[in-house]
Amino acid sequence: SYELTQPPSVSVSPGQTASITCSGYKLGDKYACWYQQKPGQSPVLVIYQDTKRPSGIPERFSGSNSGNTATLTISGTQAMDEADYYCQAWDSSIVVFGGGTKLTVL
Amino acid sequence: EVQLVESGGGLVQPGGSLRLSCAASGFTFSSYWMHWVRQAPGKGLVWVSRINSDGNITRYADSVKGRFTISRDNAKNTLYLQMNSLRAEDTAVYYCARDAGYSSSWTFDYWGQGTLVTVSS
Repeated sequence: SYELTQPPSVSVSPGQTASITCSGYKLGDKYACWYQQKPGQSPVLVIYQDTKRPSGIPERFSGSNSGNTATLTISGTQAMDEADYYCQAWDSSIVVFGGGTKLTVL
Repeated sequence: EVQLVESGGGLVQPGGSLRLSCAASGFTFSSYWMHWVRQAPGKGLVWVSRINSDGNITRYADSVKGRFTISRDNAKNTLYLQMNSLRAEDTAVYYCARDAGYSSSWTFDYWGQGTLVTVSS
């Protein structure tokens, strides 16, 4: 079965750039999206179709996808961006999530 | 405003059954594919099932195939998940999510607040 692998945790200083990776076999041949989930809340879509931002998502969130790796980049990271982030794609009609990355802003 | 409100969760014994509901409002429910996604306590997101807009095409994760049934009532703007033969490992918050309908991708643009299912004796 298809798997997506994320680092369990990433730390970043306020104002700096955070990068969260998501690895999967030929992931670049698929569309990837990203969700943000804060404690006790439902997930929120922040990037879809590799690079697109839904309405209302700040411009500091961006995405890329090539080869075997998709990357979520948060520029000028703010304290409010501290959350769990999940990548997601699909393979053989099955939706697959990565294991999630806890972003700490310190 | 799009709203998805789940209900029906609770405590159930192993081997028991439960039916979850997801009431949709603020959009044309009958035009969208819908999904169930679950999250065990302290764990990540796991896709469970999806159903097309008409309700005649469904797909399940292997872990629930044969035990769970997804359905919808477009007249009532409601999505369902019938869960049978429940196991301890089914314990999770269950979210319903709307599929955004983007080309060549399954993407969840709206999520409910979730309902907790606990399977324990």
